[in-house]
Amino acid sequence: LAKTTQPISMDSYEGQEVNITCSHNNIATNDYITWYQQFPSQGPRFIIQGYKTKVTNEVASLFIPADRKSSTLSLPRVSLSDTAVYYCLVGANTDKLIFGTGTRLQVFP
Amino acid sequence: NAGVTQTPKFQVLKTGQSMTLQCAQDMNHNSMYWYRQDPGMGLRLIYYSASEGTTDKGEVPNGYNVSRLNKREFSLRLESAAPSQTSVYFCASNLDRGADTQYFGPGTRLTVL
Repeated sequence: LAKTTQPISMDSYEGQEVNITCSHNNIATNDYITWYQQFPSQGPRFIIQGYKTKVTNEVASLFIPADRKSSTLSLPRVSLSDTAVYYCLVGANTDKLIFGTGTRLQVFP
Repeated sequence: NAGVTQTPKFQVLKTGQSMTLQCAQDMNHNSMYWYRQDPGMGLRLIYYSASEGTTDKGEVPNGYNVSRLNKREFSLRLESAAPSQTSVYFCASNLDRGADTQYFGPGTRLTVL
């Protein structure tokens, strides 16, 4: 199982771009990279998923280099409501995913 | 669509008591999951059901049993609750167990005294 390493916490200010990097050196060929967001007292919510290169949706962008050993979640112009825990997951099957402790993002006014 | 619903939202048990956590989804998903989340920790998979009629152990199955009652419902049972099972329990579902978006319920906060 691919293990992921991401920063425990990050601070930012409203309007800034936030980049959260996840390291996954043992990623397998069939593994996808998925990011979830979790607010206090709620279940995680899917943000974005990718396999290689760059993926963008209305919420975030995901950058994956060619060797796929890391990935970066980019949140453009964060607001207070983006304060949450962000999980990077790597795997081909959702019954094998490991959530880890995630990155706690705190956005200040 | 209600998505994934869980009952109850909160529960307090005494050591040795039993209870069943209920989960239902209305998205016609094949796979369903039970996770637990301890304070400051990530989620850990307890059991999952890849399809109706099948269940498999996850990372931390001891002390729990599950039932996939039908395609919509997946219940988690604690036969003899222990303080170590104090946690927040999340149910999730997705179309299949491949790398597919999981949809999570609101959680059940369980305290075992």
